[in-house]
Amino acid sequence: SQQGEEDPQALSIQEGENATMNCSYKTSINNLQWYRQNSGRGLVHLILIRSNEREKHSGRLRVTLDTSKKSSSLLITASRAADTASYFCATGVPTGTASKLTFGTGTRLQVTL
Amino acid sequence: GAVVSQHPSWVICKSGTSVKIECRSLDFQATTMFWYRQFPKQSLMLMATSNEGSKATYEQGVEKDKFLINHASLTLSTLTVTSAHPEDSSFYICSAEQGSSYNSPLHFGNGTRLTVT
Repeated sequence: SQQGEEDPQALSIQEGENATMNCSYKTSINNLQWYRQNSGRGLVHLILIRSNEREKHSGRLRVTLDTSKKSSSLLITASRAADTASYFCATGVPTGTASKLTFGTGTRLQVTL
Repeated sequence: GAVVSQHPSWVICKSGTSVKIECRSLDFQATTMFWYRQFPKQSLMLMATSNEGSKATYEQGVEKDKFLINHASLTLSTLTVTSAHPEDSSFYICSAEQGSSYNSPLHFGNGTRLTVT
């Protein structure tokens, strides 16, 4: 299975602190993406990093990718209570006209006031 | 832009009945859509890739006769859970890609919670 593993499985921090989540995967990839899921809802795309990129920023998000170690990290800086959600990494491989994504196990982030 | 609408958001049905879930791309065309299943506090598991105008591609272990997928237009894919049983109770989510690049993100519907009694 290509499914990635994320750690930690759960993370609880206080508002204002930084949150770091890690993702490991098993096979070669086209890209790696991070998604957020609020409880009982669909997923929202956060950031996509291509296999030839090493780091990418978007607002308070910073993603790194190390293809030699088959790992990625997501850093959320200055966290807010509204960041409370589950975060999933997903690795993409081409299929047909779109990328087929395989999701990691997810990290449940709880940000308290 | 890039909105995917999934309907219904929740459904309760009796064992043995069939349930149809719709996934629509509202403001873009999607040649390919994906159907996922998610159990509580677990990750998403890809069930099948839905291709407009052709048969769906199912992942290993997914019964194609039980989970019927139809992708009749560039904006609509449907998943029908046939002869549903309690073990089919789950959260089903569809997604679609806007654009034809392999490096485009997927846009997800809000999911359908199916409860089979």
